[in-house]
Amino acid sequence: DSGVTQTPKHLITATGQRVTLRCSPRSGDLSVYWYQQSLDQGLQFLIQYYNGEERAKGNILERFSAQQFPDLHSELNLSSLELGDSALYFCASSNYMTSGRNYEQFFGPGTRLTVL
Amino acid sequence: DAKTTQPTSMDCAEGRAANLPCNHSTISGNEYVYWYRQIHSQGPQYIIHGLKNNETNEMASLIITEDRKSSTLILPHATLRDTAVYYCIASSGYALNFGKGTSLLVTP
Repeated sequence: DSGVTQTPKHLITATGQRVTLRCSPRSGDLSVYWYQQSLDQGLQFLIQYYNGEERAKGNILERFSAQQFPDLHSELNLSSLELGDSALYFCASSNYMTSGRNYEQFFGPGTRLTVL
Repeated sequence: DAKTTQPTSMDCAEGRAANLPCNHSTISGNEYVYWYRQIHSQGPQYIIHGLKNNETNEMASLIITEDRKSSTLILPHATLRDTAVYYCIASSGYALNFGKGTSLLVTP
């Protein structure tokens, strides 16, 4: 158990819909990361937040957005869903160092999203 | 971040050492080498990281060549539970860019 929790575990929805995935980081971790893992693209970095502010962006679509709240939990919002958005979505947290290094990221169990 | 190259798959007998190679010939001076693994569809798990020196922890050892162009992850006594996809990542910053990794199968 990494200490990172994600809800829900599974989500089935239809094309065109909007969903919200939730992540609670490990106690004390200020940095949260979102990753997408699909069969054809592998595990891809989407976005990072540190203490409520966006820090880094990866291959995140404009239809996707995220935020980190004052209690440090984070939500990933996916809208206008397409079949290709079906994937495992992982959240990770780390004890972000002031130097900018994230020596170890702790991953949650993931949310499996199926778009029909 | 530098591109890494790993073999697609490897086998190892239980109880033997598993040596997983990684090539990162374009790595820059401020990039660390990280190793993570993913068992089935679980969240990836951190194993070890290093910059220049060899590193060892309770899970594995990391050997980095002097020119830093390649590294080897060593699992000293592989068990069946070590069957997983192992990712070698070179990163200087925040994001971890996972490649395809090496699928390690530990056999009885």
